[in-house]
Amino acid sequence: NAGVTQTPKFRILKIGQSMTLQCTQDMNHNYMYWYRQDPGMGLKLIYYSVGAGITDKGEVPNGYNVSRSTTEDFPLRLELAAPSQTSVYFCASSYLAREGRGEKLFFGSGTQLSVL
Amino acid sequence: QQPVQSPQAVILREGEDAVINCSSSKALYSVHWYRQKHGEAPVFLMILLKGGEQKGHEKISASFNEKKQQSSLYLTASQLSYSGTYFCGTETQPGTASKLTFGTGTRLQVTL
Repeated sequence: NAGVTQTPKFRILKIGQSMTLQCTQDMNHNYMYWYRQDPGMGLKLIYYSVGAGITDKGEVPNGYNVSRSTTEDFPLRLELAAPSQTSVYFCASSYLAREGRGEKLFFGSGTQLSVL
Repeated sequence: QQPVQSPQAVILREGEDAVINCSSSKALYSVHWYRQKHGEAPVFLMILLKGGEQKGHEKISASFNEKKQQSSLYLTASQLSYSGTYFCGTETQPGTASKLTFGTGTRLQVTL
């Protein structure tokens, strides 16, 4: 069981370039999330999805786009990369088994992105 | 609004105990705790729902005081493997983790 798999692990972009961060999970989780983590800071939610075909903005969505065509995959697209997008990006998934009982997040290993 | 964690950092000798606090200015529905080792992904420790329950995970336990809008994580007889950054995440209403707001973390270092 691989869990949540993210690629690439590291990437350097030039200002204005675009790229897609890949995320796939094999746990059949309905919920998927993208977070960014800046040095010494907590996790900030970029986008999330509650199921295939449904996505919504989180706290810091500007400069990013997502799609969810399948349950397994949730890619994050960076358009026109800027230095402010230098960060570590984590994909996560969860399964809400019962309303109100909370859910635990399973995280991928992260992508360290530098925009120079 | 982001929960406030304290202390920001703590250094322990192996075998010592530590308490990490997480406070919110809003009424809370639940508190989540995660541990992140350097260069790795955060790993789930536990969820506490309102009701004041206390949960445990090995020698790590936590409490949730909904009236005070705060949670505390207790690390007993710390081990070297406990080193890392501990994050709390808070929810003000039930739902998906899209409602989670994470604190800035408490860096814990356990030494020999």
